[in-house]
Amino acid sequence: DTAVSQTPKYLVTQMGNDKSIKCEQNLGHDTMYWYKQDSKKFLKIMFSYNNKELIINETVPNRFSPKSPDKAHLNLHINSLELGDSAVYFCASSPNPGTPGGSYNEQFFGPGTRLTVL
Amino acid sequence: KQEVTQIPAALSVPEGENLVLNCSFTDSAIYNLQWFRQDPGKGLTSLLLIQSSQREQTSGRLNASLDKSSGRSTLYIAASQPGDSATYLCAVASRNTPLVFGKGTRLSVIA
Repeated sequence: DTAVSQTPKYLVTQMGNDKSIKCEQNLGHDTMYWYKQDSKKFLKIMFSYNNKELIINETVPNRFSPKSPDKAHLNLHINSLELGDSAVYFCASSPNPGTPGGSYNEQFFGPGTRLTVL
Repeated sequence: KQEVTQIPAALSVPEGENLVLNCSFTDSAIYNLQWFRQDPGKGLTSLLLIQSSQREQTSGRLNASLDKSSGRSTLYIAASQPGDSATYLCAVASRNTPLVFGKGTRLSVIA
């Protein structure tokens, strides 16, 4: 009955490699997100997808490419991994992104993927 | 650009005490404010969501207030327990960004 799940939970890899993190939500939500939590525990949004379409892309290197095959999945692919990419990556989902003048809905987070680049 | 600040960064209290965690934000044009709990090595658990039109929300021993005009929110925890020990994060949803997070308050409740 997991709401938002991520795989893998831990990922250790060498610099220069390409890796993917998968996220799935079974809540029927329209919107999914990727966040990065750095070594200082600061959480920052990276991407937001609504119904498989990119709606937010913060200042993230283009080595990071999100892919949404369907509404329930948002995967994160990272090319040419660098030491600075080491962090915990969280996936989240919410019912919808809100409407102008309206309210954003509550976000539900996955357990995180701890990426270590050696 | 929205900025969220949480004070204090860390707090240690004896079990049973009531306590207040503070959150401030720079742009008062928000849609909502959300309080989360994060346990070490774990994901985020949503505690309370306050819409911009609301002034407070309550869940069990937790009460969150919102003063949008002054850019402040507080999370009140009554009768604290060791199980409340965690990092508490405040996050604000605004027009162009779903959630902007503060750096959190690390709470330790001593038995």
